[in-house]
Amino acid sequence: NAGVTQTPKFQVLKTGQSMTLQCAQDMNHNSMYWYRQDPGMGLRLIYYSASEGTTDKGEVPNGYNVSRLNKREFSLRLESAAPSQTSVYFCASSLIASPKDTQYFGPGTRLTVL
Amino acid sequence: AQSVTQLGSHVSVSEGALVLLRCNYSSSVPPYLFWYVQYPNQGLQLLLKYTSAATLVKGINGFEAEFKKSETSFHLTKPSAHMSDAAEYFCAVETGRRALTFGSGTRLQVQP
Repeated sequence: NAGVTQTPKFQVLKTGQSMTLQCAQDMNHNSMYWYRQDPGMGLRLIYYSASEGTTDKGEVPNGYNVSRLNKREFSLRLESAAPSQTSVYFCASSLIASPKDTQYFGPGTRLTVL
Repeated sequence: AQSVTQLGSHVSVSEGALVLLRCNYSSSVPPYLFWYVQYPNQGLQLLLKYTSAATLVKGINGFEAEFKKSETSFHLTKPSAHMSDAAEYFCAVETGRRALTFGSGTRLQVQP
């Protein structure tokens, strides 16, 4: 039982390049989330998917797109990377999209945009 | 909108001393509150959560937090710090949109 896995762990991009961050969970969770973590700002929600087939914007969605490929996988795409998107990206999942439910986090992807 | 404020971006304590990490929330309705811990180069792990049951919540690794509505606070405490407690700690509140809003974090250093 691997929990929440993310690939890649590290990535360096040039401004304007595109890439997709992958996230998968093996806990049969319904809800999945993408956060970014910047120094001194904690984590901020980019997008979330309450259940398979649905996605919703979070606090900072601009410049990103997501796909809930199936129940297990939730990807985050940067179409045209900008230096402001340099950050650590965390994927999380929870059984249901309820405030009482615990979110489980992956190990993160450290992205640098030059 | 719900939000949390963590007072003190860095806290340093001696091993064996009391740990107190402060979190104040802003919410128009009874909130659900959480404390998460992040060890270096790892993802976040849930320490404890308040979901409107008992106001004193006990979590893992000897941590606990008390929900005080009158003070709009949810401070995290541990009676005796251990070297392994050195990490970054995040307070979070449920946003009402089925996701979490996190505070800016407090880095805890434990001195031998």
